[in-house]
Amino acid sequence: NAGVTQTPKFQVLKTGQSMTLQCAQDMNHEYMSWYRQDPGMGLRLIHYSVGAGITDQGEVPNGYNVSRSTTEDFPLRLLSAAPSQTSVYFCASSKTPLGQTNEKLFFGSGTQLSVL
Amino acid sequence: GQNIDQPTEMTATEGAIVQINCTYQTSGFNGLFWYQQHAGEAPTFLSYNVLDGLEEKGRFSSFLSRSKGYSYLLLKELQMKDSASYLCAVRAPAGGYQKVTFGIGTKLQVIP
Repeated sequence: NAGVTQTPKFQVLKTGQSMTLQCAQDMNHEYMSWYRQDPGMGLRLIHYSVGAGITDQGEVPNGYNVSRSTTEDFPLRLLSAAPSQTSVYFCASSKTPLGQTNEKLFFGSGTQLSVL
Repeated sequence: GQNIDQPTEMTATEGAIVQINCTYQTSGFNGLFWYQQHAGEAPTFLSYNVLDGLEEKGRFSSFLSRSKGYSYLLLKELQMKDSASYLCAVRAPAGGYQKVTFGIGTKLQVIP
């Protein structure tokens, strides 16, 4: 059971480049989300999805796009990378949109992104 | 809005007990999580509290007081492998769904 799989693990971009961070889960989870983690800031929610075809913005959505065409996949797109997007990105999923008690998040292993 | 406070760093001795505090101010409340995150790794789930009181899981216990907006994570019989960051996270309703907001995390260093 792979859980939540994120690729790539490391990425270096130049300012203005675009790229997609991949996230896939094999647990049939309805809820998927993307966080970024920066020193002194904690994990901040970028975008989330409560099911295929449904996405919404989190706290820091600017500069990022998402789509959810299948239950398994939730890619995060950086349209035009900026140095401010240098961060560690985590994809996370849970079985339901966190409406049930004790419904914890399962995290992927993270992507360390540097934008020069 | 959501505001979650926890100490940035703590140091404790192997074999000792340490308490990591978390205070929160949120619009609505539907539970508090504690996650452990080793350096360079993903957060992993430790505990969940939604009612007042103490939840015990082996060497780890978590306490919640909803009236005070306060939680703590208690780690007993500290081991070197407990050196990690401990993230407090609060779940609250937002726009018809539930959102989880994380604190900045407390970096715990266990020394011999």
